[in-house]
Amino acid sequence: DVKVTQSSRYLVKRTGEKVFLECVQDMDHENMFWYRQDPGLGLRLIYFSYDVKMKEKGDIPEGYSVSREKKERFSLILESASTNQTSMYLCASSSDRVNNQPQHFGDGTRLSIL
Amino acid sequence: QKEVEQDPGPLSVPEGAIVSLNCTYSNSAFQYFMWYRQYSRKGPELLMYTYSSGNKEDGRFTAQVDKSSKYISLFIRDSQPSDSATYLCSYGYNFNKFYFGSGTKLNVKP
Repeated sequence: DVKVTQSSRYLVKRTGEKVFLECVQDMDHENMFWYRQDPGLGLRLIYFSYDVKMKEKGDIPEGYSVSREKKERFSLILESASTNQTSMYLCASSSDRVNNQPQHFGDGTRLSIL
Repeated sequence: QKEVEQDPGPLSVPEGAIVSLNCTYSNSAFQYFMWYRQYSRKGPELLMYTYSSGNKEDGRFTAQVDKSSKYISLFIRDSQPSDSATYLCSYGYNFNKFYFGSGTKLNVKP
């Protein structure tokens, strides 16, 4: 079974802090994604990565950056946290760029910015 | 027009009922179709995925795709209280384009 692990289930940070959310997958997947999920807005793509050190912006990249130094790990960085970034953050992975494969999600990090 | 339309519910059924969940989509480029189950405060869990029109069955779950009508359904037979969750439909094309419905909240009453 695919396992996508997000380092924290719950996180509370203060406005202006730099926040790191970590995600690790154990299936040698090429593609990794970061979403945020908000009531009434559904899942919105922040960034995705299709290879080590490769990244592309999603629909709502403002205020975020990402890092993928190793294939199994994809980090989301909130450069200067703001209250409107309070949300559920979901990491996902999928296997390759040739065969269309579904995404597998982690359990999410519920982030509160005070 | 939204890429994916899904009735948010909530849908409340008695235990043992057959549940039908539905989504419509507008983009004929979609190539593959998924259903996810999401329990409260957890991430979406992949239930079913399929690439073609027709039915795909897995235990009590059946996914049905009608590409000509741009319509997909998930049927749950003999529903259980443990099926109470939010169900998300999802569509994909290429390897990196995924769209999600807003989710239907299902409550199965004992």
